Amino acid sequence: QKEVEQDPGPLSVPEGAIVSLNCTYSNSAFQYFMWYRQYSRKGPELLMYTYSSGNKEDGRFTAQVDKSSKYISLFIRDSQPSDSATYLCAIWLSSGSARQLTFGSGTQLTVLP
Amino acid sequence: NAGVTQTPKFQVLKTGQSMTLQCAQDMNHNSMYWYRQDPGMGLRLIYYSASEGTTDKGEVPNGYNVSRLNKREFSLRLESAAPSQTSVYFCASRDPGGQETQYFGPGTRLLVL
Repeated sequence: QKEVEQDPGPLSVPEGAIVSLNCTYSNSAFQYFMWYRQYSRKGPELLMYTYSSGNKEDGRFTAQVDKSSKYISLFIRDSQPSDSATYLCAIWLSSGSARQLTFGSGTQLTVLP
Repeated sequence: NAGVTQTPKFQVLKTGQSMTLQCAQDMNHNSMYWYRQDPGMGLRLIYYSASEGTTDKGEVPNGYNVSRLNKREFSLRLESAAPSQTSVYFCASRDPGGQETQYFGPGTRLLVL
């Protein structure tokens, strides 16, 4: 079993839709939870970051963490064609001085105009 | 401020050939990482360097070597390339600030025939 499982998609939605992207994880020692966005043929870039259970909002994006269920979500409101990208969840496990990120496999999202 | 740069952008190798992927960052970060990204597999850590002069294996180190030349540069070497090493390779550096953000380069696409 992978440490981080992510719905692979692909996901295609009309412009203006609410998008829900999800990941589950197995290691309760994971401490920090992130969402990266990766446009085609580009490197990933950090979108959202949270370390506690609950919701964190940033504009049209909301990151949700449920540590009791080991479940994380990213919601995109009023989705735009510019949101079309691959979204990767990433979880940080502090291990000595290394602090390695464990990534989900990514969900490819297309927002249709 | 260029962030994280990688060279080359694209490379074709024959089985058994060697090559070095170069990475440099100008953000004065201590930690640097090499990942590979394959379809359906997400980003997998190959090697990392917590600080200048130190390197450690990640999840998939076999067939690779690394050198942390100085604080700015972290190179990845394939001594004898195999078709299984066909992938997109990303270098990243980590901001030690509160959000522990990893900044990624644009990637190197490698095809091994």
